[in-house]
Amino acid sequence: GENVEQHPSTLSVQEGDSAVIKCTYSDSASNYFPWYKQELGKRPQLIIDIRSNVGEKKDQRIAVTLNKTAKHFSLHITETQPEDSAVYFCAASIGGGKLIFGQGTTLQVKP
Amino acid sequence: GAVVSQHPSWVICKSGTSVKIECRSLDFQATTMFWYRQFPKQSLMLMATSNEGSKATYEQGVEKDKFLINHASLTLSTLTVTSAHPEDSSFYICSAPVRTTSTDTQYFGPGTRLTVL
Repeated sequence: GENVEQHPSTLSVQEGDSAVIKCTYSDSASNYFPWYKQELGKRPQLIIDIRSNVGEKKDQRIAVTLNKTAKHFSLHITETQPEDSAVYFCAASIGGGKLIFGQGTTLQVKP
Repeated sequence: GAVVSQHPSWVICKSGTSVKIECRSLDFQATTMFWYRQFPKQSLMLMATSNEGSKATYEQGVEKDKFLINHASLTLSTLTVTSAHPEDSSFYICSAPVRTTSTDTQYFGPGTRLTVL
């Protein structure tokens, strides 16, 4: 079946450094790839998304890249801050409006 | 932005009882809503798709008779966990899509923490 693999599962960086999280998807029909940030006990918040007709998208310190041929997409956070610490999930659309999520990455930004 | 609410935010119940969770789209209509379950330190697992005016569709491995879904209006979907057991304790989150350009953006409710004693 469809699945999304996300790496790494945990990531620790120093404040100001960059963080990169990578995902691979299996469904070649997927055309929408959102990234969510989830703080403990709270709802996932959409932070950025990309559609299959675009290779890269940037929003201030956050960027996402997509390689449809390789079925890879990545989240890049630059100039990390302690408030960026959270769990990040990638997701891929699988038809019918449904999303399948990666396993999550716990990002810790050390002051 | 689109707002999705859930009620209750947390619930504790005894084993064998049923619990109903509500999901509402506050400022938009949603003919479709999605229900997820999230165990501690794990990802969101899609349970079912709630369809307004018709039966819900369940993902493989999800018992439809245990997790009853009703989508009676364009702004409300309910999930009832029947005969709850401790293993049903989890964080249940709903989402509703908002159509933007050519695809749907999913907005999540705040979640409901269910603890079954």
